[in-house]
Amino acid sequence: KQEVTQIPAALSVPEGENLVLNCSFTDSAIYNLQWFRQDPGKGLTSLLLIQSSQREQTSGRLNASLDKSSGRSTLYIAASQPGDSATYLCAVQAGGFKTIFGAGTRLFVKA
Amino acid sequence: EAQVTQNPRYLITVTGKKLTVTCSQNMNHEYMSWYRQDPGLGLRQIYYSMNVEVTDKGDVPEGYKVSRKEKRNFPLILESPSPNQTSLYFCASQTQGQGGSYNEQFFGPGTRLTVL
Repeated sequence: KQEVTQIPAALSVPEGENLVLNCSFTDSAIYNLQWFRQDPGKGLTSLLLIQSSQREQTSGRLNASLDKSSGRSTLYIAASQPGDSATYLCAVQAGGFKTIFGAGTRLFVKA
Repeated sequence: EAQVTQNPRYLITVTGKKLTVTCSQNMNHEYMSWYRQDPGLGLRQIYYSMNVEVTDKGDVPEGYKVSRKEKRNFPLILESPSPNQTSLYFCASQTQGQGGSYNEQFFGPGTRLTVL
């Protein structure tokens, strides 16, 4: 059964720091991996989608990588800002259109 | 504007009173899903649909029903709600990409359900 783990569970950094969030999954037979942002009490905002055939995707200050063979993905955030404070979730999609989410990393960027 | 809408956004009800949470998308997406989010348990998939009249169970389908009679709508039905179904519910939609890949999932704003 697919399991998705996100480390660390929480992270506090000063403004301007570059940071890396980690996501690992146990079954490499995935269609894609998607990173989301969720603000408290709000819905999910899609950040980046990496197809199983891709190695990385970039959007602005965000870069996500995927290593299927090792079951790992990272989300790199450059020059963090207080507005980046949120919970970051990764989700893998596998056979039968099933989607498994990690528990998330709560990020706090201090001004 | 491309979006996924859910109604109601907030609902307080009592045990055993049937309810329906509606979900609608205007992007002509084939795939739709329902999730629930609970503290400490994260987001878990309840049901998904690959097209009209095609649905399947996710990880936590017990106590829920769905239907997909039209492509744009995917209602979630709780025939006899219980307090353990108190949760934040999200609907999502998605389309198939090239070469059998799936494009990104778009999520609705969420429905906060409380069952007393």
